[in-house]
Amino acid sequence: GDSVTQMEGPVTLSEEAFLTINCTYTATGYPSLFWYVQYPGEGLQLLLKATKADDKGSNKGFEATYRKETTSFHLEKGSVQVSDSAVYFCALSPGYSTLTFGKGTMLLVSP
Amino acid sequence: GAGVSQTPSNKVTEKGKYVELRCDPISGHTALYWYRQSLGQGPEFLIYFQGTGAADDSGLPNDRFFAVRPEGSVSTLKIQRTERGDSAVYLCASSLTLSEINEQFFGPGTRLTVL
Repeated sequence: GDSVTQMEGPVTLSEEAFLTINCTYTATGYPSLFWYVQYPGEGLQLLLKATKADDKGSNKGFEATYRKETTSFHLEKGSVQVSDSAVYFCALSPGYSTLTFGKGTMLLVSP
Repeated sequence: GAGVSQTPSNKVTEKGKYVELRCDPISGHTALYWYRQSLGQGPEFLIYFQGTGAADDSGLPNDRFFAVRPEGSVSTLKIQRTERGDSAVYLCASSLTLSEINEQFFGPGTRLTVL
């Protein structure tokens, strides 16, 4: 079945550091790919998405590119802030609406 | 406008009891989803509705779990004979229509603890 694997956390960075959170997937066909974020005490929010190969999703300085050849959708940000501290979930949707999530990666950014 | 709301926010029950968890989707959203998130895991799909009908209930773990959406808006997830393994955060989400291109908006969740 479909699955998403993302790097284990926590990822601990200093403010202004470069961020990469790795995400790879297994799916039949051509799923849409998503990154969701969960800030402390809040619900899941969509951060960005890409619906086909080579698409780049971007939002709030975060980017991820849909790489079909490596079945990956790594999340990157050039300069993280303390306010980016949260749990990040990579997810896929196989062509209808249900989402399959990874286990989540906690990001901790210190001043 | 208001987001997805879920009640109660916390529910503590004893093993063997029956519980109901409620979800109020965003007004006008026809698709509604239930997920379950165990500690340290990502959300796992349970069931989704398009309008009043369950379009896919393949994620429900067993026949103790049931969900309804009788008027195409509010949904209730029902769990009979609760077990300790049912303890988790139950998340509800809604989207404008049943399509992967429509963003799913998540509620804050109901934390269920079965003692």
